[in-house]
Amino acid sequence: DAKTTQPNSMESNEEEPVHLPCNHSTISGTDYIHWYRQLPSQGPEYVIHGLTSNVNNRMASLAIAEDRKSSTLILHRATLRDAAVYYCILRVPGGGADGLTFGKGTHLIIQP
Amino acid sequence: AAGVIQSPRHLIKEKRETATLKCYPIPRHDTVYWYQQGPGQDPQFLISFYEKMQSDKGSIPDRFSAQQFSDYHSELNMSSLELGDSALYFCASSLGFRRMNTEAFFGQGTRLTVV
Repeated sequence: DAKTTQPNSMESNEEEPVHLPCNHSTISGTDYIHWYRQLPSQGPEYVIHGLTSNVNNRMASLAIAEDRKSSTLILHRATLRDAAVYYCILRVPGGGADGLTFGKGTHLIIQP
Repeated sequence: AAGVIQSPRHLIKEKRETATLKCYPIPRHDTVYWYQQGPGQDPQFLISFYEKMQSDKGSIPDRFSAQQFSDYHSELNMSSLELGDSALYFCASSLGFRRMNTEAFFGQGTRLTVV
């Protein structure tokens, strides 16, 4: 299965941008890059996904490296409500759970 | 907008008892996933269904079984409960079979405590 690597934790200040990195050096051409987050005591929540091009939505932006071996989730202006565990997931065709398997995410801490 | 509904939200059972967790997906969603999340752990995939058929199987113990019904709701049946089964159980739903470019929506989870 394709794997992702993320830092265990990151800390940022409120109202500042946050860049969450993810390495996925074994990515294949048909693998989609997904990001989910899990707030304390809640179910995981979809954030964004992309294949090759950078993507923007109301929650965040996803910047994908040209070689696709890494990506960065960008929260443009973090709030205290963004404190969560962020999971970078490769959805691989033919992978178990349709590729929706969670590894070790990044615990994002937001300081007021 | 309707979300994924899980019931009950909390459940306390004794060892060796059985438990049934229910999941109601978003209307028109045909795929359901079940996950188990132990304390301080990441969600672990258990099993998934598409159009009422099992589509993938993860680390689901033999004591557990699940099914998806004609109205697309799903139930996770857990027997001979052990203390180690105490966890949050999440259900997620999505639309389409093996679509890698679509998002899944998660419920709020059922917290199972085995005493």
